[in-house]
Amino acid sequence: EPEVTQTPSHQVTQMGQEVILRCVPISNHLYFYWYRQILGQKVEFLVSFYNNEISEKSEIFDDQFSVERPDGSNFTLKIRSTKLEDSAMYFCASSLGVVSPLHFGNGTRLTVT
Amino acid sequence: DQQVKQNSPSLSVQEGRISILNCDYTNSMFDYFLWYKKYPAEGPTFLISISSIKDKNEDGRFTVFLNKSAKHLSLHIVPSQPGDSAVYFCAASGRGNAGNMLTFGGGTRLMVKP
Repeated sequence: EPEVTQTPSHQVTQMGQEVILRCVPISNHLYFYWYRQILGQKVEFLVSFYNNEISEKSEIFDDQFSVERPDGSNFTLKIRSTKLEDSAMYFCASSLGVVSPLHFGNGTRLTVT
Repeated sequence: DQQVKQNSPSLSVQEGRISILNCDYTNSMFDYFLWYKKYPAEGPTFLISISSIKDKNEDGRFTVFLNKSAKHLSLHIVPSQPGDSAVYFCAASGRGNAGNMLTFGGGTRLMVKP
């Protein structure tokens, strides 16, 4: 069964550094998402992306965050200047259509020191 | 943010018995509900969903019930198997749109004992 793949599985970075999290969504899916889960907290929506632009974003997704689909297969989340509170598990997801279940990757654990 | 709440952090069930996981929501704009299962070191895996126009949806051993007046949904797993041991999340979406802005509950850890 096709799956969403995320790299790296674990990223350690220093506060203030830029980090890029990478995702390869399922190939025929059209909608792409980033969610995150801070340790001990709920899974939270960050952003959705369709037709090469952001369709929805949450309050968490401030100017420090950006997303890009640089080619036909990758979908990236960039955090420009990481903060300690950005430490979390970041999940990429994709869906075939607007009313379709999301398929999640296994996540990237981001640790900001 | 308590729009979607799973009040039981954990549930233990004997193999072969029924597991019932509960979820409450407060936002009356939610019209699509999903259950996800999550194993350690993996992402959430979609299990089953239900639209607000229905009150029941069944898929094999999994059935989801929706009570709109009570703003309550439940997931029934029968018979439960040890491989079902995982964290179960309910999630909700507004505007009939599973894709945008899923709001998750805090999860219930299910342990199925052989």
